[in-house]
Amino acid sequence: DAGVIQSPRHEVTEMGQEVTLRCKPISGHDYLFWYRQTMMRGLELLIYFNNNVPIDDSGMPEDRFSAKMPNASFSTLKIQPSEPRDSAVYFCASSLVNRGRIDTQYFGPGTRLTVL
Amino acid sequence: AQSVTQLDSHVSVSEGTPVLLRCNYSSSYSPSLFWYVQHPNKGLQLLLKYTSAATLVKGINGFEAEFKKSETSFHLTKPSAHMSDAAEYFCVVSDLRSNDYKLSFGAGTTVTVRA
Repeated sequence: DAGVIQSPRHEVTEMGQEVTLRCKPISGHDYLFWYRQTMMRGLELLIYFNNNVPIDDSGMPEDRFSAKMPNASFSTLKIQPSEPRDSAVYFCASSLVNRGRIDTQYFGPGTRLTVL
Repeated sequence: AQSVTQLDSHVSVSEGTPVLLRCNYSSSYSPSLFWYVQHPNKGLQLLLKYTSAATLVKGINGFEAEFKKSETSFHLTKPSAHMSDAAEYFCVVSDLRSNDYKLSFGAGTTVTVRA
């Protein structure tokens, strides 16, 4: 398996522009997680899905952020409009739940977003 | 609620000497515990995990960790550090009772290895 795939790997944009980050989870995994990592705040969970349905979006910072999972093999995280404080590395992860326990979360390589 | 405390923000060791990264957790129920490693500009990679089986868990690259319920600890060790072990390490806990499958990440420990 190719693992979790994220694109683009790097994104540089100007304030006010729309940004779309993409993720392809590992085939067969039914949970998908979006995280944001910054020096100041560390790793933060933004939202997660189970079987394509958003379960908890309490970590989404504000309405400028939205996430979708139209099918089991694809998810997007959109920021509109983007702001400089959104600059961070965004990770996607996928996993299975095994006998009621969260199994290993497999992380993608991340998208490094810079908003100028 | 679950939480994790990594007791050292930075650890520096000489190549060939032991590595110890300390982690204490708080969990209301039987936790699952993980250690992840992140090399510069890379994603997080699983080193090892504990999910209620053997308390001494062996992982990749010679790392191991011991689950001690009485001490609520899950310290990570390696007998002999290699230059390639220089990275950031995260201790992570998941609490079954929470039933929401979130992970709680520690703040991370940065490991530097001196030649």
